[in-house]
Amino acid sequence: AQSVSQHNHHVILSEAASLELGCNYSYGGTVNLFWYVQYPGQHLQLLLKYFSGDPLVKGIKGFEAEFIKSKFSFNLRKPSVQWSDTAEYFCAVRILATGKLIFGQGTTLQVKP
Amino acid sequence: SAVISQKPSRDICQRGTSLTIQCQVDSQVTMMFWYRQQPGQSLTLIATANQGSEATYESGFVIDKFPISRPNLTFSTLTVSNMSPEDSSIYLCSVTDRVNTEAFFGQGTRLTVV
Repeated sequence: AQSVSQHNHHVILSEAASLELGCNYSYGGTVNLFWYVQYPGQHLQLLLKYFSGDPLVKGIKGFEAEFIKSKFSFNLRKPSVQWSDTAEYFCAVRILATGKLIFGQGTTLQVKP
Repeated sequence: SAVISQKPSRDICQRGTSLTIQCQVDSQVTMMFWYRQQPGQSLTLIATANQGSEATYESGFVIDKFPISRPNLTFSTLTVSNMSPEDSSIYLCSVTDRVNTEAFFGQGTRLTVV
């Protein structure tokens, strides 16, 4: 069965620290890749997406992610986090054959001011 | 892009009753899905809503508990049947038109079962 695994469940960083959140998926076929953010009490918001082409994609709020096909990974990065980045982050993989979007377990990021 | 209207936005229901959630999209879309987000959890796919035929359910979800209808390309309903407190969650409708496009989500229905 297809699955998405996020390595870090809870990350605590100080402001200005660098961030990297891991995401791996298990599926051998063609996929679209996404990172979503959910701020406390709010709805999902799309951070960035990868469909094809340059494996390094840039999203909103200074986030970027790199697709490494050989590793089935799509890690999220930000050079310098802010207190306002405190949120839940979800990696998601769309299986193109079915259109299904499968979510990882989520990572809670807490940024200390 | 697609604009999704999901109703109701929230409800408090008695155990043993059923609630039907509606999802209306402003354009014809190929694929519609229903998700559940339990408190403090990620999104779990319940089923794919198929137009004019029975929905395709994911492991752990059954039609008797979560009957789904999709009479056309812009509308779907999800019913949460014989509710228990464990069904308290946010239920979300999601649509996508084709590959290599993003998925769009409704605002969700926050269900509390007492």
